[in-house]
Amino acid sequence: KQEVTQIPAALSVPEGENLVLNCSFTDSAIYNLQWFRQDPGKGLTSLLLIQSSQREQTSGRLNASLDKSSGRSTLYIAASQPGDSATYLCAVRGQSSYAAGNKLTFGGGTRVLVKP
Amino acid sequence: DGGITQSPKYLFRKEGQNVTLSCEQNLNHDAMYWYRQDPGQGLRLIYYSQIVNDFQKGDIAEGYSVSREKKESFPLTVTSAQKNPTAFYLCASSLPPGELFFGEGSRLTVL
Repeated sequence: KQEVTQIPAALSVPEGENLVLNCSFTDSAIYNLQWFRQDPGKGLTSLLLIQSSQREQTSGRLNASLDKSSGRSTLYIAASQPGDSATYLCAVRGQSSYAAGNKLTFGGGTRVLVKP
Repeated sequence: DGGITQSPKYLFRKEGQNVTLSCEQNLNHDAMYWYRQDPGQGLRLIYYSQIVNDFQKGDIAEGYSVSREKKESFPLTVTSAQKNPTAFYLCASSLPPGELFFGEGSRLTVL
């Protein structure tokens, strides 16, 4: 059974510092991995989707890497801003069949606070 | 604008009542999902549907029911059999196995 872990559970950094968020998973047979952002009381916003054949994906200040063999993904946020304060979650989609629903397994998230 | 609409945003339920949460998407996605989020527990899958008129139980389906009569709609009913229904409920959709998109969520509180 796939397990996804995000450590640390909470992180506080001064504005301008680069953020490094970790996601580890136990089964390397994945189809893709997705990073989300969640603001308090809101739904999840998709940030980046990395296919299993990719090593990284970039969008603006965000860069996500994927190392399937070691079961890790890292989300980098450059030059953090107070507006980046949120909870960041990663989710892994296994190489399951269509009948199994192509379901995602979520990590517990990392709560980030960027201090002005 | 394309997206997923959940309603109501806030809902209060008395003991013994059934309530239905609405989820509508105009993304033309085949698959739709319902998740429950509790503090410290992460997201847990309640039900999912990959095609109209078909749905499967997720990890915590007991006390919940769904229907998928239209591609755009996937309502969730929280029945009186659900012993601890107070939670934040999230609906999502995708063109599997692609990117998953979420609605804004519905917060259910039992009085």
